[in-house]
Amino acid sequence: NAGVTQTPKFRVLKTGQSMTLLCAQDMNHEYMYWYRQDPGMGLRLIHYSVGEGTTAKGEVPDGYNVSRLKKQNFLLGLESAAPSQTSVYFCASRPGGAATDTQYFGPGTRLTVL
Amino acid sequence: GDSVTQMEGPVTLSEEAFLTINCTYTATGYPSLFWYVQYPGEGLQLLLKATKADDKGSNKGFEATYRKETTSFHLEKGSVQVSDSAVYFCALSESVRGGADGLTFGKGTHLIIQP
Repeated sequence: NAGVTQTPKFRVLKTGQSMTLLCAQDMNHEYMYWYRQDPGMGLRLIHYSVGEGTTAKGEVPDGYNVSRLKKQNFLLGLESAAPSQTSVYFCASRPGGAATDTQYFGPGTRLTVL
Repeated sequence: GDSVTQMEGPVTLSEEAFLTINCTYTATGYPSLFWYVQYPGEGLQLLLKATKADDKGSNKGFEATYRKETTSFHLEKGSVQVSDSAVYFCALSESVRGGADGLTFGKGTHLIIQP
């Protein structure tokens, strides 16, 4: 069982370039999330989705866009990368419906913007 | 808004020492509380959770009790091992809207266990 997978694992961009991070889950979860992790900041929510075709903003959405065209996939896009977006990005999913549900995390994508 | 405060590290202990990592929270509703652990180079994995007051979550020798009166969820382990070296995150999920809008995390505590 693969769980939550993320592609790519590492990436280096130049300022102004664009890229898309892919998250896939095989647990038939309704809810999916994108977080970023920065030193001394913990994890902060970027965007989330409560079902196919729906997305919503989290705590730090500026500079990012997302799409959930299929239930199992959640894409995070950077249209014009900035050095401030250098971070480790984690995707997570959970069944949905109850705040008691556990979130399952992917292994992360380490992004460096030069 | 909601927030989680936990002691920042690094926390360095000797093997077999007693561990406490403090965590307190503020929330507008009645949250569920979680401890996640991140081993080097990996994603986060659930360590334990508690969903109502006085619940005790436990796993792998770790324990934490949901204390509503002190808004705390401190993590404890009686005898730590070198393999426990990791970053530990306290987090909450608001009950409003079924916690749809994700987890609120503390900043993480880096734990180092020396042989």
